[in-house]
Amino acid sequence: GESVGLHLPTLSVQEGDNSIINCAYSNSASDYFIWYKQESGKGPQFIIDIRSNMDKRQGQRVTVLLNKTVKHLSLQIAATQPGDSAVYFCAENGLNAGNMLTFGGGTRLMVKP
Amino acid sequence: EPEVTQTPSHQVTQMGQEVILRCVPISNHLYFYWYRQILGQKVEFLVSFYNNEISEKSEIFDDQFSVERPDGSNFTLKIRSTKLEDSAMYFCASGDTSGTSTDTQYFGPGTRLTVL
Repeated sequence: GESVGLHLPTLSVQEGDNSIINCAYSNSASDYFIWYKQESGKGPQFIIDIRSNMDKRQGQRVTVLLNKTVKHLSLQIAATQPGDSAVYFCAENGLNAGNMLTFGGGTRLMVKP
Repeated sequence: EPEVTQTPSHQVTQMGQEVILRCVPISNHLYFYWYRQILGQKVEFLVSFYNNEISEKSEIFDDQFSVERPDGSNFTLKIRSTKLEDSAMYFCASGDTSGTSTDTQYFGPGTRLTVL
């Protein structure tokens, strides 16, 4: 079936290093992808998005890469900080009428000082 | 910066009771959503709402669930007769006025529902 999934459940990085969080999706019709950050006890916080007509999009310290050939999405965080510690979810919108987002299972990012 | 707000932050109820979860979406948004997240699991779509009607709903959103926009600012989720398995975080989200499939959705802080 169609799904959005994450490769690694937990990622531990040293403060100041770069982090890469990966996501695989299987719905080739998906045209919009979003990365959300969720801190403990809070709702998902929008980080960055990318449309399917793009391969790369950069924000402040974050970059999202989209490889449609292999249906792979990644989030790169530069100079990771302790405040980046959270669970990161990728989500996709597969052109359904109600704009339903399908979320992946989440990757926990732990930043060591 | 505008935010989605939700009340209450935590709701405890007895099985079989009705609960209403409240949300105030971002003021110029027209597309509204409810999602839930069972502890330790992924966020799951429940329902989307536009122009005073449901646009799409998931299998989770059965006859026990309903949504309403009672006035110009609130968006509510009602569970008529709660079950133990309804215990979860419930997130409200709202989207930009474009209403296209590339509509960014902004989430509220959630209401933790505990059914005893």
